[in-house]
Amino acid sequence: SAVISQKPSRDICQRGTSLTIQCQVDSQVTMMFWYRQQPGQSLTLIATANQGSEATYESGFVIDKFPISRPNLTFSTLTVSNMSPEDSSIYLCSARQTVNTEAFFGQGTRLTVV
Amino acid sequence: QKEVEQNSGPLSVPEGAIASLNCTYSDRGSQSFFWYRQYSGKSPELIMFIYSNGDKEDGRFTAQLNKASQYVSLLIRDSQPSDSATYLCAVNFNDYKLSFGAGTTVTVRA
Repeated sequence: SAVISQKPSRDICQRGTSLTIQCQVDSQVTMMFWYRQQPGQSLTLIATANQGSEATYESGFVIDKFPISRPNLTFSTLTVSNMSPEDSSIYLCSARQTVNTEAFFGQGTRLTVV
Repeated sequence: QKEVEQNSGPLSVPEGAIASLNCTYSDRGSQSFFWYRQYSGKSPELIMFIYSNGDKEDGRFTAQLNKASQYVSLLIRDSQPSDSATYLCAVNFNDYKLSFGAGTTVTVRA
């Protein structure tokens, strides 16, 4: 299993500013992912954080808005840039070793943009 | 487009009853299937995973997979109030990414 520490747990930000969310895993993992979860909705994959290369973004998400770093096999960051109220959501970091193993989740970051 | 569909909720069951949750997926080549439970305000936690056709039991939970019908289900026996949560079906579509269904909210009435 893996334990994922995500911070901050919540934040209230002004529109137009940026917030960087950090995700630390207690062991090396193959894959790390960033999800967004709107209130009452399911999880939407933003991107796969690739170690040593650019993240792979899903349709509807772009690097300029959601830059992602993954400097090593245990750490990743997601930045929400130039925020607007529509970015208010819960952002979840996830990690996984192989296709036949579970995905673990951080505790989430509840972001409110005012 | 690869999709995961879950039966719409909310699902309300009396304590001690069986809760039945259903999930269908669009990609016949899908390899692995997961059921997560998410309490309000918390992150998802794994209940069960299943890879092969048939049933898999773990305590009060049973996952059923039918790849020919592209269908996976979760049964919760002897439902308890602590089972009240949203249950998310997740499917692995031939890569590392998990695609999640919209979730089914279960309420167990005491």
